[in-house]
Amino acid sequence: DAGVIQSPRHEVTEMGQEVTLRCKPISGHDYLFWYRQTMMRGLELLIYFNNNVPIDDSGMPEDRFSAKMPNASFSTLKIQPSEPRDSAVYFCASSLNPGTEPYGYTFGSGTRLTVV
Amino acid sequence: AQSVSQHNHHVILSEAASLELGCNYSYGGTVNLFWYVQYPGQHLQLLLKYFSGDPLVKGIKGFEAEFIKSKFSFNLRKPSVQWSDTAEYFCAVIRSGGYNKLIFGAGTRLAVHP
Repeated sequence: DAGVIQSPRHEVTEMGQEVTLRCKPISGHDYLFWYRQTMMRGLELLIYFNNNVPIDDSGMPEDRFSAKMPNASFSTLKIQPSEPRDSAVYFCASSLNPGTEPYGYTFGSGTRLTVV
Repeated sequence: AQSVSQHNHHVILSEAASLELGCNYSYGGTVNLFWYVQYPGQHLQLLLKYFSGDPLVKGIKGFEAEFIKSKFSFNLRKPSVQWSDTAEYFCAVIRSGGYNKLIFGAGTRLAVHP
């Protein structure tokens, strides 16, 4: 298995532009998580899905952020309009059994977003 | 709210020194505990985990952690660090029994000097 695949690896965009981050989870994993990592706030859970349905989006910072999971093999995180304070590394993770054995919570390589 | 505290934000050691990174969590129920490592420019990798049983857990690369329930702690240890251990280390907690959110501590940056 190729693991969790995120694209792009790096994104530089101008303030006000729309940004779309993509994630392909590990096949068979029912859970998908989006995290944001910044120096100031560390790793924050933004939203997670179970069987393509958003379960908890309480970490989404504001309405400019939206996430979708149209099928079991693809998810997007969209920021519109983007702002410089959105600059961060965004990680996607997928899991079969988040809280029980056999534990599986695999992270992608992340997307480094820079908004100028 | 459930939280995870890592007391050391930056640690600098020389090679062969012993390492102990502190982690405390606030939730009083049953939890599952993890340590992740993030090497520079890379994604998070699982070092070790605790679900139940022996509170002394051994992970990859010579790391171990001890769960002390009475202290709500899950400290990470390594008897002799190497330069290649330079990375950021994250403690994380998930409530067992159907709660699926992995909550991370702020991380500890470890720098090992040759």
